[in-house]
Amino acid sequence: QVQLAQSGAEVKKPGASVKLSCKASGNSFTTFHVHWVRQAPGHGLEWMGLIDSTYGRTAYAQEFQGRVTMTRETSTNTFHMDLSSLTSEDTAIYYCAASSGWYAVFDRWGQGTLVTVSS
Amino acid sequence: QSALTQPPSVSGTPGQGVTISCSGSFSNIKSNTVNWFQQLPGTAPKVLIYKSNQRPSGVSDRFSGSKSGTSASLAISGLQSDDEADYYCATWDDNRKGWVFGGGTKLTVL
Repeated sequence: QVQLAQSGAEVKKPGASVKLSCKASGNSFTTFHVHWVRQAPGHGLEWMGLIDSTYGRTAYAQEFQGRVTMTRETSTNTFHMDLSSLTSEDTAIYYCAASSGWYAVFDRWGQGTLVTVSS
Repeated sequence: QSALTQPPSVSGTPGQGVTISCSGSFSNIKSNTVNWFQQLPGTAPKVLIYKSNQRPSGVSDRFSGSKSGTSASLAISGLQSDDEADYYCATWDDNRKGWVFGGGTKLTVL
């Protein structure tokens, strides 16, 4: 079963970019997909997009098109999510989560990374 | 505005049952299966129900899911104090070509 470990907290200024990491372990031979979901303080869950581990195909939520890029490093089984043009509204906990397929439920979650955007 | 609509809050007393609704449309709930997540304070979400009515191993049979048309429901029987959490429905949306979540429902056990 895939286990996910995320990078540490970040503090960024408005207008900057942030690159988060999510390292997968425990599943070397099966295709899986990594989703990114965020949660602003006191708010609900918001799906940002996904990437598949084998071919690197991506799908992004319309709200983040043009501002988000998801990539993977196959050699280290590490997944990255780049978000640009940050504003205070991007302050949130960012989770990576894994699913066995594009339409399958994401049943493995990382611990989350807090991103704070403040001048 | 969320593509899926949930009540902001529900409540019940220990031992009672409650139901949380999730209302969507043809492009999401009607066309795809629904998943339910439980999020305890300060923790990552956990899958309670997948494919509308399937429970992962380890999830109590007090939790059950159903779907009809453009709506889905999560039923919790025999409420316990540690059921206090936020609950989210989620599914794929064919129009948006992405996953969508409900706004979340806060369950309070009185």
